Amino acid sequence: DTGVSQDPRHKITKRGQNVTFRCDPISEHNRLYWYRQTLGQGPEFLTYFQNEAQLEKSRLLSDRFSAERPKGSFSTLEIQRTEQGDSAMYLCASSSRVAVRNYGYTFGSGTRLTVV
Amino acid sequence: GDSVTQMEGPVTLSEEAFLTINCTYTATGYPSLFWYVQYPGEGLQLLLKATKADDKGSNKGFEATYRKETTSFHLEKGSVQVSDSAVYFCALPLIPTQGGSEKLVFGKGTKLTVNP
Repeated sequence: DTGVSQDPRHKITKRGQNVTFRCDPISEHNRLYWYRQTLGQGPEFLTYFQNEAQLEKSRLLSDRFSAERPKGSFSTLEIQRTEQGDSAMYLCASSSRVAVRNYGYTFGSGTRLTVV
Repeated sequence: GDSVTQMEGPVTLSEEAFLTINCTYTATGYPSLFWYVQYPGEGLQLLLKATKADDKGSNKGFEATYRKETTSFHLEKGSVQVSDSAVYFCALPLIPTQGGSEKLVFGKGTKLTVNP
């Protein structure tokens, strides 16, 4: 068990380009979360998967954002037509059951996106 | 809605000083409470937790007591080290309403710098 892995760690892209991030959760965790963290702020919820089903999306997730979790394993987060306001740290977290209330999450190291 | 409020930072201390970072919460019922730590360039790590009122969570010399009378979960350490320099986040789980998912909501974070 190597924890939650995110790739890439850093991404610099030009405005208008598409980017895709990957998250590999802890293998036995069936719950996967994406958060966004901007400078000086706490993480903000983006979306949640239980197995392969995307069960909730935040209003922060505009139409340019899409997330998938095929086969209930790894997940990808794609941002189309990036804007400078998308610059942030994108965090992935996983959990094993409805025990978020008692055990919290395990986070990955994040992908830092810079849009220039 | 349920939320946490943290003291504004940044906090700068000398090594071996006493640390307090305040966190208060607003919630229906008595949720678990968490402190996460984020070292530079990294994701969040669970530092400690408390699952019910009057519980004390502790780890790595840090402590926090769940006080329902004052709706607080203040983080304390008796003698900080340079290696404690990081951003600290208070968090609580949002219990889902119909159609929602169980997820954590975070405070804005408090940056701690410890000087030798």
